[in-house]
Amino acid sequence: AQRVTQPEKLLSVFKGAPVELKCNYSYSGSPELFWYVQYSRQRLQLLLRHISRESIKGFTADLNKGETSFHLKKPFAQEEDSAMYYCALLNNAGNMLTFGGGTRLMVKP
Amino acid sequence: GAGVSQSPRYKVAKRGQDVALRCDPISGHVSLFWYQQALGQGPEFLTYFQNEAQLDKSGLPSDRFFAERPEGSVSTLKIQRTQQEDSAVYLCASSPRTVSNQPQHFGDGTRLSIL
Repeated sequence: AQRVTQPEKLLSVFKGAPVELKCNYSYSGSPELFWYVQYSRQRLQLLLRHISRESIKGFTADLNKGETSFHLKKPFAQEEDSAMYYCALLNNAGNMLTFGGGTRLMVKP
Repeated sequence: GAGVSQSPRYKVAKRGQDVALRCDPISGHVSLFWYQQALGQGPEFLTYFQNEAQLDKSGLPSDRFFAERPEGSVSTLKIQRTQQEDSAVYLCASSPRTVSNQPQHFGDGTRLSIL
């Protein structure tokens, strides 16, 4: 069975502070991991995925298979980063995303 | 260039009624997914279509839930004899191909409230 855990329901930081949203997973196969974001009154949208090794809006995430983690990081938070963030794992068949419970990020001015 | 479209946006029904939720995926997208998102939780997988074929329905919580995609485009999720625990946001997503790791594009969801 696959499982994604986001231990923090809420993370509150000041503008300019570093941010790390934690994500841990359990999966017996080779994981493909994603971060999705939902801004206020908008739909869920893809932020980044580990296979792309990209940085989107200043966010990065590194897959650590030893620690089974895929934490999302940004060195300097901006107010517009305030949103719900969901970590998700895609099964090997590519037909099922398992989401974590989400972390609400609040960036205060 | 419309994205995934879901209707209605909001649905209120009395316990015991049947409801039908519609999803229009992005044109040409082969794969279609339904998720259920309870308040304060992440989305949970319900079912998956590849064109008109329902290849995985392991996430459907009971036999009251039924999904179809008869022509391989629009999909309908039907819930019979609704219960209060069915109250949730129902999300539809589509992706372009059957190849794995293609990102899923989500609709706005239908917020279902059962009284």
